[in-house]
Amino acid sequence: KAGVTQTPRYLIKTRGQQVTLSCSPISGHRSVSWYQQTPGQGLQFLFEYFSETQRNKGNFPGRFSGRQFSNSRSEMNVSTLELGDSALYLCASTPLGQSNNEQFFGPGTRLTVL
Amino acid sequence: SQQGEEDPQALSIQEGENATMNCSYKTSINNLQWYRQNSGRGLVHLILIRSNEREKHSGRLRVTLDTSKKSSSLLITASRAADTASYFCATVIYNQGGKLIFGQGTELSVKP
Repeated sequence: KAGVTQTPRYLIKTRGQQVTLSCSPISGHRSVSWYQQTPGQGLQFLFEYFSETQRNKGNFPGRFSGRQFSNSRSEMNVSTLELGDSALYLCASTPLGQSNNEQFFGPGTRLTVL
Repeated sequence: SQQGEEDPQALSIQEGENATMNCSYKTSINNLQWYRQNSGRGLVHLILIRSNEREKHSGRLRVTLDTSKKSSSLLITASRAADTASYFCATVIYNQGGKLIFGQGTELSVKP
């Protein structure tokens, strides 16, 4: 099976712009989670989608949003970008998002905000 | 905020030596998982230990869990240069399987 894919891999934006990142989970996986990784804050959970519904949400402002499509692919959007949004954004998938599942991570999208 | 802390933050050893990393967390958990990350890439799952387990092995990896102390340790035996990476513990709370709460990570350097 192909792994989790994320596009684009690298992105450069300027403050105030918005950005959309895409994640395709492993075939058959219905749960997709998103994480932000920065040197200062480490790895932080953004949100989880399951069957097109947001099931869990982390402590991020409303500028961060996401959605999931019927084929389980997911997108996350960040509006009004700030310098502090520069980070590696990782998505991960699991079959059902059950507690005892490992998560399979994609390679990440590195976002730089200038 | 993150669930817990890991120590040491950085560890440098020679090939063949053992590496031990520790993780502490704050709340009751369903399970604890360890992941490895090479140079800012995606994370790779290493091992999962359930809250009712005390020790688990996988190849050269040994994980322990002490729920009374809310702590876990990862031991890598006979380390290799290829083990050089960042290692993260992550906890899962009951009924929130899709949400991993990560520690700050330990950066391991194994010198040939």
